Amino acid sequence: EAQVTQNPRYLITVTGKKLTVTCSQNMNHEYMSWYRQDPGLGLRQIYYSMNVEVTDKGDVPEGYKVSRKEKRNFPLILESPSPNQTSLYFCASSLSGLNEKLFFGSGTQLSVL
Amino acid sequence: AQSVTQLGSHVSVSEGALVLLRCNYSSSVPPYLFWYVQYPNQGLQLLLKYTSAATLVKGINGFEAEFKKSETSFHLTKPSAHMSDAAEYFCAVSDLSLQGAQKLVFGQGTRLTINP
Repeated sequence: EAQVTQNPRYLITVTGKKLTVTCSQNMNHEYMSWYRQDPGLGLRQIYYSMNVEVTDKGDVPEGYKVSRKEKRNFPLILESPSPNQTSLYFCASSLSGLNEKLFFGSGTQLSVL
Repeated sequence: AQSVTQLGSHVSVSEGALVLLRCNYSSSVPPYLFWYVQYPNQGLQLLLKYTSAATLVKGINGFEAEFKKSETSFHLTKPSAHMSDAAEYFCAVSDLSLQGAQKLVFGQGTRLTINP
């Protein structure tokens, strides 16, 4: 089954404790991206990757890192999480870019205490 | 930069009634426009996409949207609401940053409630 898999589904952590949210797609997609969803703000892009060689910042990259060492995986790293990073996070992928259908993961609800 | 405005954070309709969810965008050139739906505890799914091939776009589950350049609108409609349509709906427009980065700009979302 074609899908984008995120883990974990729920995560509660404390301020300053490094964490990684994993994202993997099995559709051989070139394009991958991370969004955060906050009430009243819709989804905002954190980082995106056009392919394994090109990764760039989105609208709200501060406090986040990403890695694209291989095509299928695109982990989101919070080196020192803070409470304002409490949010619902989504990973998404598409065949080659934004003007194509984006496939979304089921989301990761992160709470930073 | 592109922006998207969805009018109404909550819309409530009766089962069988017309669904109308409003979306306006800011753009000086014909954009790519999308409607995505998010069911409870799930990721977003594409409902439909406008790519300038036709102004009336048909999507899944009986939804359709009409691109009106003069009004910079891309409203989503469904003639007869079903209980399973209860979800949050997002309008989005693709954009390029000054650095050439591809962005998908989302509206704030509209939560649709269906009354029996």
